[in-house]
This record gives sequence, C-alpha cells and structure tokens, in this order.
Amino acid sequence: GGIITQTPKFLIGQEGQKLTLKCQQNFNHDTMYWYRQDSGKGLRLIYYSITENDLQKGDLSEGYDASREKKSSFSLTVTSAQKNEMAVFLCASSIGTEQYFGPGTRLTVL
Amino acid sequence: GDSVTQTEGPVTVSESESLIINCTYSATSIAYPNLFWYVRYPGEGLQLLLKVITAGQKGSSRGFEATYNKETTSFHLQKASVQESDSAVYYCALGSSGSWQLIFGSGTQLTVMP
Repeated sequence: GGIITQTPKFLIGQEGQKLTLKCQQNFNHDTMYWYRQDSGKGLRLIYYSITENDLQKGDLSEGYDASREKKSSFSLTVTSAQKNEMAVFLCASSIGTEQYFGPGTRLTVL
Repeated sequence: GDSVTQTEGPVTVSESESLIINCTYSATSIAYPNLFWYVRYPGEGLQLLLKVITAGQKGSSRGFEATYNKETTSFHLQKASVQESDSAVYYCALGSSGSWQLIFGSGTQLTVMP
C-alpha cells in the first residue's frame, strides 16, 4: 500500500498573497493531479503531471502554477489569492485510470 | 461535452432500508468510458468504492453495486440494506482508458439514521 500526504492541512491567506500547497506520494505512481473542490460541487482538475518535470493544464489552471521536480512530489501555487475564497484542494496519483487521493488542504482567504 | 449528473443531496435513509443514488453521464468525446464511484467517509480522504470499465458489467464493493448501462448512459449505485457506517459523500466519475482526466459529479451526501 501507499499514502498521499498533503501539507498544510489548513491554509489561511490574505488577498493577493502567493500560496503554495504540497503533495507527496509513496505509491511510486507516474501521474499526479491537483483538483479543486468548492462546497457542494464536484472536483475540478487544475493541473496534472504524467511524469517528473511534466505539467499539463486542466480546466481550471488559470490563477495557478504547478511544479513536479520529483516523481514523488507535486506542488501547487495559488499565484494571487482571491478575497473570501474558500475551497478544498485535493492531490491524487494514479496507476491506469484508478486515482488515489490525499486528505486535502482547506484554503481560506481573508 | 462530457459530464456527470448524480442525485442531489442530502439523502437521508434509515438503517436497513434500501438505497439508490442515481448517476447519468454524457461521454461525447470518450469512445470507451470507464465509470467509477468514489466515497468520502467523515474525516477520511476520497477513496475508490468500485469501478466498471466494460458496458453491461456490474461492479460491487462493501455491499454496494452499480451496473454500467450504455443504453441509458447510467451507473446508479445501489445497496439493499444500508448501515449507519455507510454515511458518507458519494461521487460518480467518468474516465477513459485513453485519458488521464476524471470527470466528477457534484457528490451526494448520504446520512443513514440508526
């Protein structure tokens, strides 16, 4: 088995601030993902990466940057936090079509 | 486009009652859809409940079943007798063996009353 770790668990930021979320996996999966989930809505794909140093934009990539410097880690940066923004960011990794998810980072922007 | 629509929550049922959570999909750009049910139990991360990659087949796990119906483009989740421990948020998702992306429904919050 394996595990996906996301840090921090809770993130509070100020409007306009640059914020970074981190994800680590020990499944040794090639592909990793970042999703955003707003209250009462489904998950929306922000970025994914099919291998180290690869980045692919999802439907919601505007306002975000991502980095995959190692196979085991995938970072997401909110380039400029929006006032009153609240969402949960989920990291995942996959083998084939089956995705495994981390516990999430809950973002609140004051 | 490609999309997933599922029963809007919250859904509340009593223990030992039967359950069905509806899921329909639209896969206009996916030649061979794969269908999934994910679940998030309170305090836990999202996890795969079951998946079916072939039309006409049924998947099952933890007493839940779902049949991939290509004719009605549906993948409803059913359980004959729910337990309090089934209280969770359930997500239907659509994928493809040729794509990295999963398309999720909005989730259905299920509460099972003792």
